[in-house]
Parts: sequence; C-alpha cells; structure tokens
Amino acid sequence: DIQMTQSPSSLSASIGDRVTISCRASQSISNYLNWYQQKPGKPPKILIYAASTLQSGVPSRFSGSGSGTDFTLTISSLQAEDFATYYCQQSSSSPPLTFGGGTKVEIK
Amino acid sequence: EVQLVESGGGLVQPGGSLRLSCEVSGFTFSNYEMNWVRQAPGKGPEWVSYIGRSGSNIYYAASVKGRFTISRDNAKNSLFLQMNSLRGDDTAVYYCVREAAWRPDSGSYYHYWGQGTLVTVSS
Repeated sequence: DIQMTQSPSSLSASIGDRVTISCRASQSISNYLNWYQQKPGKPPKILIYAASTLQSGVPSRFSGSGSGTDFTLTISSLQAEDFATYYCQQSSSSPPLTFGGGTKVEIK
Repeated sequence: EVQLVESGGGLVQPGGSLRLSCEVSGFTFSNYEMNWVRQAPGKGPEWVSYIGRSGSNIYYAASVKGRFTISRDNAKNSLFLQMNSLRGDDTAVYYCVREAAWRPDSGSYYHYWGQGTLVTVSS
C-alpha cells in the first residue's frame, strides 16, 4: 500500500493567518490526492480532490497544490470554523484509499 | 438528499460478533462503490473494506481479513458488515462511505459519509 505522511501533526494559528499543511506520498501518485476536514464528533468532509479541485461549496480560502509525491493544503486566511483536523488521502492505488496521519489546527 | 444511516453498533465482548447495517437513500445505490471506514478514539480514519457496485469485487484491510465480511443488497439499498472474532483494537466508530466514481483525470474520493456507529469491544 502507498503510505501518506503529513506534517506537521499539529499547529497553532490565529484567525487571519495563512496556514500550510504538507503531505508526502511514498511513491508518485500523480495528482490523485484528496484533502478532508474533520471536526470533533463528525465524519470527515471532502474539501479538495485531484490535488487542487475544490469540492462544491468549499470556501475559496482553501487551496491545494502539488503532484507526484509532494502536496500542500493552504488556508489563505484562517477563520474560526477552520479549526479542525485535516487529512490527506491518495487515490492512485485503490482500494484502499490511504489516509495520512492528520494535522490538527488549533487556536493560538 | 443523500443519506447514509448506520446501525448495529454496541458493546461486545472480545471474541464476539456484530453485524453493522447501513441504509442509504437519495441516490441509486447500485451505481456506487461502497466502503466501511473506521476511526478509533483519537486516531485517524482507517479503511476497513470495499465492495463494488454488483458485490462481485470485495477487498479487506489486512487487519480484518478473515474476520469481517462485507455485503450489500441493492434491492434494499443496504450495506452490511459482519464482524466476527472481535478484538479490543476493533473498537472504533464505523462509517458507511459512498465512493465517488473513479475518473482518470481526478481519481476517486470518499464523497458521502454516514454519521457512524460506535463499536466497543471490551469485557
């Protein structure tokens, strides 16, 4: 299975900050990379698929980039509702669609 | 509106069995591949099992292979997970997940999730 590694595992940020989260695949996955947001007590929610395509309804402050093995999720201006845990996921080799370990975004 | 509603979770002793169900509505169930994904307390999501649209293609995570069985009834818009020989590390919230159709330009992703059902394995 393809392994996904996220960094950092957690970060503290303030409202309005620009936040970047990294995800690295153990082998090239082209652009088959998804990002999810999860809030406590809720299932994960798809934010971005195919590395940079915003799911319908997701605010434009979220963006994704990268290809091959290295990917980034960026929140351009952090809002209160963005404090959550973010997961990357590869869909190059499936099943399974493998998740990264997650990045928890906390309030500074 | 797409809905996925899991049921069947609960407290079970090690070595016991449970059968999870997921009733779906709001879409043509037989057109979609489905998965079970679980999440242990404080951990990230972990894929458990996949079933193709007709039920002929089935895959399991190594951690559950030989103990869990996935199935579906397209006539009843339902997905199932039979879990046998349960262990403490099977304790988790189990989600029923509809997978987006794989496309060569975008791959696939887990589009719709149920709210989950909690399985606790403890004596």
